[in-house]
Amino acid sequence: EAQVTQNPRYLITVTGKKLTVTCSQNMNHEYMSWYRQDPGLGLRQIYYSMNVEVTDKGDVPEGYKVSRKEKRNFPLILESPSPNQTSLYFCASWGRRVGDTQYFGPGTRLTVL
Amino acid sequence: AQSVTQLDSQVPVFEEAPVELRCNYSSSVSVYLFWYVQYPNQGLQLLLKYLSGSTLVKGINGFEAEFNKSQTSFHLRKPSVHISDTAEYFCAVSESLNYGGSQGNLIFGKGTKLSVKP
Repeated sequence: EAQVTQNPRYLITVTGKKLTVTCSQNMNHEYMSWYRQDPGLGLRQIYYSMNVEVTDKGDVPEGYKVSRKEKRNFPLILESPSPNQTSLYFCASWGRRVGDTQYFGPGTRLTVL
Repeated sequence: AQSVTQLDSQVPVFEEAPVELRCNYSSSVSVYLFWYVQYPNQGLQLLLKYLSGSTLVKGINGFEAEFNKSQTSFHLRKPSVHISDTAEYFCAVSESLNYGGSQGNLIFGKGTKLSVKP
């Protein structure tokens, strides 16, 4: 079954404690992206990746890092989380064909105290 | 720069009634348009997309949308809704020159919460 998985699904942490949210896809997609969803703001792109070792900033990259060492994985790293990063995070992947559908993971709800 | 406006943040409707969720976009170039649905506590799922060709696009679960270039709109419609359609719906746009190329960046609207009442 084609899918994008994220772990953990729920996370409560404290300010400044480094964390990583993992994302993995099994569709051999070249493109992957991280979004955050906040009430009344919709989804905003944090970072995206065009392929292994190729990443670029989205609209709201401050406070986040990513890496793409393998095609299937695209972890999101918060080196020093702050309360304003409390949000619902989605990972997505899609292929290189024009107009390819973006497939979304189930989401990770992060609370930073 | 692209932007997407979903004109209604919440739409309450009775079961079996028709519904229209409105979406307008702004872009200086040609675009691809998408509607995604998010059921409670789930990720986003593609309902339908417009890439080219016929301006009337049919999607899953009986939804359809019409691309209107002159009005820069892509409204979502369903002739008869069910309780199970209760969800949040997101319109998204991507510039066709970029999609599948260097970025594929989707710009999302802020969402419309559809609430279907019995």
